Amino acid sequence: AQTVTQSQPEMSVQEAETVTLSCTYDTSENNYYLFWYKQPPSRQMILVIRQEAYKQQNATENRFSVNFQKAAKSFSLKISDSQLGDTAMYFCAFLEGSNYKLTFGKGTLLTVNP
Amino acid sequence: DAGVTQSPTHLIKTRGQQVTLRCSPKSGHDTVSWYQQALGQGPQFIFQYYEEEERQRGNFPDRFSGHQFPNYSSELNVNALLLGDSALYLCASSDPTVPGQGWSGEQYFGPGTRLTVT
Repeated sequence: AQTVTQSQPEMSVQEAETVTLSCTYDTSENNYYLFWYKQPPSRQMILVIRQEAYKQQNATENRFSVNFQKAAKSFSLKISDSQLGDTAMYFCAFLEGSNYKLTFGKGTLLTVNP
Repeated sequence: DAGVTQSPTHLIKTRGQQVTLRCSPKSGHDTVSWYQQALGQGPQFIFQYYEEEERQRGNFPDRFSGHQFPNYSSELNVNALLLGDSALYLCASSDPTVPGQGWSGEQYFGPGTRLTVT
C-alpha cells in the first residue's frame, strides 16, 4: 500500500521569505502522480501543483515549485515570496497511475507572519 | 462554470441515525470520489463512482454506501452513525479521460460537509 509522510506538522515563515515543505512517499509503482493541495481555513481543497513521475523536470507554478527526487521518493514544495494568503494546511498526495484513489499525508500547517 | 458543490454545509446527527450527503461534480466531469477528513488529519478515500457504479473502495465498512445518478451527481449514505463518523466529508470530481498519457489525474474538491454525530 502506498503511504505518504509529511514530517513537519507545523511551519512558519515571514512574509516575502521562502519556505520548503517536505514530503516522502512509498510505492513500488513506476507510473504515478504527485500533488500538493492547499486547504485554507475556509476548508476548500485547492490544487497547488502537480508532478507526473515520468517527467524528470520539476514542476513550477508561479511562486510554487517542487523538488522531485524519484529515487529518494521525495517530493518537497518550495514557496517563494511567501504571502499572508499562503497561510493554510498543505497536503502532499499520491495517485498511482492506474488507480483512482488519492492517498494523502497528514498535512503541514503553514503560517505566514507579517 | 460552477465547480464541485456539496450539500448541506453542516449537519448534526445522533448516534444510530442515518445521513445522506450530496455532491454535484464540476461541469464536464463524470467521476465522483468521496473522502472523509477527521479533524487534524488528511482526507481518507471512501469510494469512487463512475458510470453509476462503485469503481473503487477504500477501507470503510459497509455502513458507508453511495450512489451516482445519470447526471453524474452523487450521494454518500452513512447508516448507524457512530461518534467516530464525525468529520468533514469531501467530494471530488475528475474528468472523463482515462489513465495514461495526457491524463492529469487531478481531482477537484468541493467545500465539504461538516458532519457532527452526538
